Amino acid sequence: KQEVTQIPAALSVPEGENLVLNCSFTDSAIYNLQWFRQDPGKGLTSLLLIQSSQREQTSGRLNASLDKSSGRSTLYIAASQPGDSATYLCAPWSSSYKLIFGSGTRLLVRP
Amino acid sequence: EAGVTQSPTHLIKTRGQQATLRCSPISGHTSVYWYQQALGLGLQFLLWYDEGEERNRGNFPPRFSGRQFPNYSSELNVNALELEDSALYLCASSLGEGQSTDTQYFGPGTRLTVL
Repeated sequence: KQEVTQIPAALSVPEGENLVLNCSFTDSAIYNLQWFRQDPGKGLTSLLLIQSSQREQTSGRLNASLDKSSGRSTLYIAASQPGDSATYLCAPWSSSYKLIFGSGTRLLVRP
Repeated sequence: EAGVTQSPTHLIKTRGQQATLRCSPISGHTSVYWYQQALGLGLQFLLWYDEGEERNRGNFPPRFSGRQFPNYSSELNVNALELEDSALYLCASSLGEGQSTDTQYFGPGTRLTVL
């Protein structure tokens, strides 16, 4: 059974800092892994998808890495901005064809 | 291109009633997924439909059910509502091709409140 852990649970940083969000999962038999952001009371916005055969994926100031064998993924946010404040969720997509979500990292970027 | 849409935005029901939530996938997507996000419990997988068939369901009682229509839109029904069913219900869609590049795109959600 896939279990997903995200560390830290919450993070508060001043604007401009680079930061790293961590995700670990127990079952390495995954199709891919997605990172999402969720604003309070809203749906999810897909940020990045890393295929199981990939090590890294980049979009703008975001970079996500995947180490499938060790069951880890990290999301790196460069030069953080107040608009980045949200909850960030990682979700490996397992062979049972469903996303399993971590509990998220709640990020606050202070101006 | 229109994203995933869900209706209604908010729904208020009383215990014992039935709730019906609707989802329209992105054009060209054949798979629809339902997730529940209850306070303090995180996002939980509910149901997956593809090509009109239920393909997988999460650990939820049978009073959670749904269907997918020929146009790939979907309906989630919750019977005999209980207070703990109060949650944000999110629908997602994907191409459903089973490829590692397949991405789930989420709608804005329906907030269900059970009084």
